Amino acid sequence: NAGVTQTPKFQVLKTGQSMTLQCAQDMNHNSMYWYRQDPGMGLRLIYYSASEGTTDKGEVPNGYNVSRLNKREFSLRLESAAPSQTSVYFCASSRGGLAGAGVYNEQFFGPGTRLTVL
Amino acid sequence: AQSVTQLGSHVSVSEGALVLLRCNYSSSVPPYLFWYVQYPNQGLQLLLKYTTGATLVKGINGFEAEFKKSETSFHLTKPSAHMSDAAEYFCAVRPLNTGTASKLTFGTGTRLQVTL
Repeated sequence: NAGVTQTPKFQVLKTGQSMTLQCAQDMNHNSMYWYRQDPGMGLRLIYYSASEGTTDKGEVPNGYNVSRLNKREFSLRLESAAPSQTSVYFCASSRGGLAGAGVYNEQFFGPGTRLTVL
Repeated sequence: AQSVTQLGSHVSVSEGALVLLRCNYSSSVPPYLFWYVQYPNQGLQLLLKYTTGATLVKGINGFEAEFKKSETSFHLTKPSAHMSDAAEYFCAVRPLNTGTASKLTFGTGTRLQVTL
């Protein structure tokens, strides 16, 4: 199994450009997440999808949109990139599912996308 | 809101020495607790987790952590450091009632350096 895959691995954008980060998992997980990692700040949740067809804002959603395309795929879109969005972006997934059934959920992480906005 | 504090952004130990990475959480109700490791240029990997039951939790690569409710702590230890342990370590908490999504709050991380 590939686990969680992310594309691209690296990207450089100019301010104002748009792009979509792709994430896919092959573990039949219900829940998926997007984080950004910045030095000294740990990982911060941008958006998450508890199950197919639902998305919710996390801690730092401004400037981003997401789409849960199907159970496997969860994309993150930057409509108008800003230098403050320079970061490493991680996608993760967990089994999730019915309320209470996923209490021991482990999140599985992708390898990350390193994004630079000039 | 839940928060996690990791004391020390950088820790340096000699190979063979004890590793102690500190994590404290803020919650009146003990949450689920996790330690993740991130090797250079990689994603995060689960080291161990505490949910219920035994307060001393053993993880991969010889790491263990002890949940201490009275101290609201979940410190990570390893008796003898190895060069391959050099990485960044993140403590994370998950409240008991976040519904079907396993939303985690991460600490700011501790970079472990292992020297000869």
